[in-house]
Amino acid sequence: DGGITQSPKYLFRKEGQNVTLSCEQNLNHDAMYWYRQDPGQGLRLIYYSQIVNDFQKGDIAEGYSVSREKKESFPLTVTSAQKNPTAFYLCASSMGTGHSGELFFGEGSRLTVL
Amino acid sequence: KQEVTQIPAALSVPEGENLVLNCSFTDSAIYNLQWFRQDPGKGLTSLLLIQSSQREQTSGRLNASLDKSSGRSTLYIAASQPGDSATYLCAVRRVGSNYKLTFGKGTLLTVNP
Repeated sequence: DGGITQSPKYLFRKEGQNVTLSCEQNLNHDAMYWYRQDPGQGLRLIYYSQIVNDFQKGDIAEGYSVSREKKESFPLTVTSAQKNPTAFYLCASSMGTGHSGELFFGEGSRLTVL
Repeated sequence: KQEVTQIPAALSVPEGENLVLNCSFTDSAIYNLQWFRQDPGKGLTSLLLIQSSQREQTSGRLNASLDKSSGRSTLYIAASQPGDSATYLCAVRRVGSNYKLTFGKGTLLTVNP
């Protein structure tokens, strides 16, 4: 079945540690995105990528890093510089490079800082 | 700057009732608007995508309308069922925003048996 797979589903991190969240899609979509969701707030864009080896900062990129070495994969690293990393992280993708593409999401990864 | 508002924040209805969820946006220059459903602790599931040139889209018991000039969209759910209980979010892609979508905070719907 085609879809977006995020792992791990739950992750615990000690302060000062970097962690990497995985996102893999087999939909053959060109564009991929990372969003952060906090209670009482709308989704906020962290990073997005339109094509392989290219990505742009979203609205809250500080303390995060990404890579796009393969079309199918868009991992997100939450660095120790991110001051409040506890949140629900959602990966998404859309087809093509136009503006009409429908957005599809993975099941999310919940990160908790201990 | 685009702002998206969803009212009410929460809604509780008895099973079988027809209902309407509202979404408003401040900048009418949009490419499209998308409605999503989110169950607790889960990702978002796409329900309907309406392009800026369209007035409505239908899928099963769901019907979404778009009025760009007034900056409004509605999601109509017919004959609601307990399984429809979830948070419903709308998002718009504004012209000139490249790939960014702006999301509302959602409406938490509870359908009581």
